Amino acid sequence: SYELSQPPSVSVSPGQTATLTCSGDALSKQYVYWYQQKSGQVPVLVISKDTKRPPGIPERFSGSTSGTTVTLTISGVQADDEAYYYCQSADNHGPYVVFGGGTKLTVL
Amino acid sequence: QEQLVESGGGVVQPGESMRLSCAASGFTFSGHGMHWVRQAPGKGLEWVAVIWHDGSYTYSADSVKGRFTISRDNSNNMVFLQMNSLRADDTALYYCARGDAMDVWGQGITVTVSS
Repeated sequence: SYELSQPPSVSVSPGQTATLTCSGDALSKQYVYWYQQKSGQVPVLVISKDTKRPPGIPERFSGSTSGTTVTLTISGVQADDEAYYYCQSADNHGPYVVFGGGTKLTVL
Repeated sequence: QEQLVESGGGVVQPGESMRLSCAASGFTFSGHGMHWVRQAPGKGLEWVAVIWHDGSYTYSADSVKGRFTISRDNSNNMVFLQMNSLRADDTALYYCARGDAMDVWGQGITVTVSS
C-alpha cells in the first residue's frame, strides 16, 4: 500500500525556521495537504494543494515541492506552533487518501 | 459558519455494529465530497472512506473494506458511516471532513470496541 514518510520529530528554537518534509512516490503527480494538530484539538488545514495557504493561516507557513518530496516551512517559529503536522495525499491508482505518520514539532 | 457535527459513537462489543452520522451546516453540502478519518488513542490520522459529492462513488481504506460503508443524504445534509463487524483496533476518535482539502472538520466522536 502507498505510504507517505515524515520524520517523527523536529525541534527548533523560537524565531528559527522549521522545515518539515513529506516523501512519497506519487507526490510529483498528486497534491499534498498539510494539517496542524495541537494537543487535544481537531486538525487544521494549513497548506492546500502543495503551496496554497487557506484564509486565516499566518504567512509564516509556506509549502513547496521538489519531485517526490514536499516541504512545509514555518518561518519565525512561535511557541504556539508546537503541534503534530500531518501531510495528506492520494496515490496514483485511485482516490485512496493516505496520511503521513506525522511530525511532532517541538519549540525549544 | 461552516460546521460539521458527528454523532452516534459509544461503546460496543467486538463483532457488533454502529452507525455514525455527521450533520453539515453553513455551506452547500451537495457540492462537496466527504471523508471519514479516524485517530486511535495516541496515534496519527488514518483515512477511512470518501464519498463523492453526489454519492456516485465511494472508496474505503483496506483496513475497513467490506466492513464499513459510507453514504450520504444530500436532502438532509448528512453523511453516514455504517460500521459492521467491529474490532478492538477500530477503537478511535472518528472525524468527518469536507472535500479534497479536508478544510472543515467535525469535533470528532469516540468509538470504543471492547468486551
